Amino acid sequence: AQSVTQLGSHVSVSEGALVLLRCNYSSSVPPYLFWYVQYPNQGLQLLLKYTTGATLVKGINGFEAEFKKSETSFHLTKPSAHMSDAAEYFCAVLNQAGTALIFGKGTTLSVSS
Amino acid sequence: DSGVTQTPKHLITATGQRVTLRCSPRSGDLSVYWYQQSLDQGLQFLIQYYNGEERAKGNILERFSAQQFPDLHSELNLSSLELGDSALYFCASSVEDGTAKNIQYFGAGTRLSVL
Repeated sequence: AQSVTQLGSHVSVSEGALVLLRCNYSSSVPPYLFWYVQYPNQGLQLLLKYTTGATLVKGINGFEAEFKKSETSFHLTKPSAHMSDAAEYFCAVLNQAGTALIFGKGTTLSVSS
Repeated sequence: DSGVTQTPKHLITATGQRVTLRCSPRSGDLSVYWYQQSLDQGLQFLIQYYNGEERAKGNILERFSAQQFPDLHSELNLSSLELGDSALYFCASSVEDGTAKNIQYFGAGTRLSVL
């Protein structure tokens, strides 16, 4: 069965600093991985996805993530944080049947000026 | 705007009652998914419908049921409500069924408060 672990329920950075949100997955089949962002009182917005091919995936708003099979990781990064990046971020893996997303517990990102 | 519409945005009701949550998928999407987001359980998949038929079930209680209508909108029915059912309920839709390139687009959610 697939599962996702997000390390750190809360990450705080200064504006302009590197953002690193950690995600490790468990999957018995090649995983399809996603990062979603949830702004307050809003739904989930897809940031980026990995299915096959290039392991470095670029998403919206300057975010990117690298799929590392040997480390079973899919960490999300952004070189320079903006105040508008403050939100909750969810890592997810598509289940083996391809019918549902399995989400991590989420990481709340705070950005201070 | 994802194109997925959920109504109502907020719902306040009492224990023992029954409510219906509605979801209109993006134009052209045949699959609809329901998820529950709660503080203790996080985001959990409940059920999926594809073109009117149930395709997959997750952690959905027997008190909950769903259906997808010919116009592809979906409704999630929650009955005999308990305090623990208070949560944010999301609907998502996708164009295909069960493929790796299948992107799920989420609505803004319905926040249910059971008092």
